[in-house]
Amino acid sequence: SQQGEEDPQALSIQEGENATMNCSYKTSINNLQWYRQNSGRGLVHLILIRSNEREKHSGRLRVTLDTSKKSSSLLITASRAADTASYFCATAPDTGFQKLVFGTGTRLLVSP
Amino acid sequence: GAGVSQTPSNKVTEKGKYVELRCDPISGHTALYWYRQSLGQGPEFLIYFQGTGAADDSGLPNDRFFAVRPEGSVSTLKIQRTERGDSAVYLCASRGFPGTSLNTGELFFGEGSRLTVL
Repeated sequence: SQQGEEDPQALSIQEGENATMNCSYKTSINNLQWYRQNSGRGLVHLILIRSNEREKHSGRLRVTLDTSKKSSSLLITASRAADTASYFCATAPDTGFQKLVFGTGTRLLVSP
Repeated sequence: GAGVSQTPSNKVTEKGKYVELRCDPISGHTALYWYRQSLGQGPEFLIYFQGTGAADDSGLPNDRFFAVRPEGSVSTLKIQRTERGDSAVYLCASRGFPGTSLNTGELFFGEGSRLTVL
C-alpha cells in the first residue's frame, strides 16, 4: 500500500524555473522524507523533515510540512536539466516509525 | 561495502519458476528493507529486518514470497512459483541502528533487481 500521493504526477519546466511538488499523506507521522530516482536507478535521499518542523532547506531544495493538513511540498529553485528525475515523498508513521511508506511520485522534466 | 549491492541486476524467468534475489547492505547497517516497484509507481514496502529477524513483514503479498537474513547482513528474497504479476524492480535498502551515528533516518538504496516473468 502507498500512503502518500504526489501532485502533479508529471511536471515539465524550463531550466532556471522553479519546480514545486506536493505530497499528501493519511496517518500521523514521525518524519517525512523526499527521495529522487533517475530512470532505471535506485532512490537517493534528498531531505528529511521531522513532524515538529515546518520548513527545511538544503541547497536549492526547500521542504515545508503542514501536519494539520497532512501535506508537504518540495521546491527546487533555479532548476537544471540534471534535475530531471522522479521525486517521491516517504513517510515514517508515528508508531512503528522504522517503516518508510512511499508515495506515487512526480516525474519532473527540465528542458534546457 | 561502500554501498548497497543487489544481484542479479536483471533476471528473466518463466512463469512457475523459483527466483532468489540477493542484497548486501552497507557494512554496519542493522536494518534492511525490501521494496517492490512497478513501472510508473512508487516503491511498495515488502519487509524489513532489524538484525536477523523480520521486524515487519506486513507487505509480503502472499506466501509465495519469503525473505531471510540468517547472519544479520546479506538478505535473500525468495519468490516461489513466479507469476507474470511478480514482474517489477525489487529494491533493497539499509540503515543503521536507531540512535546511532549510522542512522540519520534516511534509507540507502541499491540499484535494484529487475525481475521479468514470461
